[in-house]
Amino acid sequence: DAGVIQSPRHEVTEMGQEVTLRCKPISGHNSLFWYRQTMMRGLELLIYFNNNVPIDDSGMPEDRFSAKMPNASFSTLKIQPSEPRDSAVYFCASSLPLYEQYFGPGTRLTVT
Amino acid sequence: SQQGEEDPQALSIQEGENATMNCSYKTSINNLQWYRQNSGRGLVHLILIRSNEREKHSGRLRVTLDTSKKSSSLLITASRAADTASYFCATASGGSYIPTFGRGTSLIVHP
Repeated sequence: DAGVIQSPRHEVTEMGQEVTLRCKPISGHNSLFWYRQTMMRGLELLIYFNNNVPIDDSGMPEDRFSAKMPNASFSTLKIQPSEPRDSAVYFCASSLPLYEQYFGPGTRLTVT
Repeated sequence: SQQGEEDPQALSIQEGENATMNCSYKTSINNLQWYRQNSGRGLVHLILIRSNEREKHSGRLRVTLDTSKKSSSLLITASRAADTASYFCATASGGSYIPTFGRGTSLIVHP
């Protein structure tokens, strides 16, 4: 198995632009998680899906952030419009319920 | 949601020495997990210990859980330079199986 796949690995964009991060979970995993990691705040859970349905999005910072999971093998995290404070590493992880999470390599986002 | 707190924040040792990291939490848990993160990479799961377990081993890793003290420890024996990484504990509590991560311990093993 290729593991959790994220794209792009690096993204540099200007303030105000739309950013879309993509994730392909491990086949057979029915839980998917989006995290954001910064030095200041550590690892924060943004949203998680179970069987493609968003269960808890209380970690999403504000309305500029949205996430979708149209099918079991694909999810997106969108930021529109992006701001410099959104600069961080964004991780996607997948798991089976009650089991450990498998993390992707992350997307390093820089908003200038 | 509760968050485990790792201690120390940073640890520097020589290759061959043992490394011990601790995690404390505030409320009852369903399970506690330890993850490793190498620089520039995603987190990798190491061990999951359930609330009714007291100790688990995996290779050079030993995890203990003391629910009366609400704490866990991760011991890495005979450390190697390749063990250099950040180590996170993650706790799941209440009716949720979703783990909440601490801020991590940064371990440096000098060759």
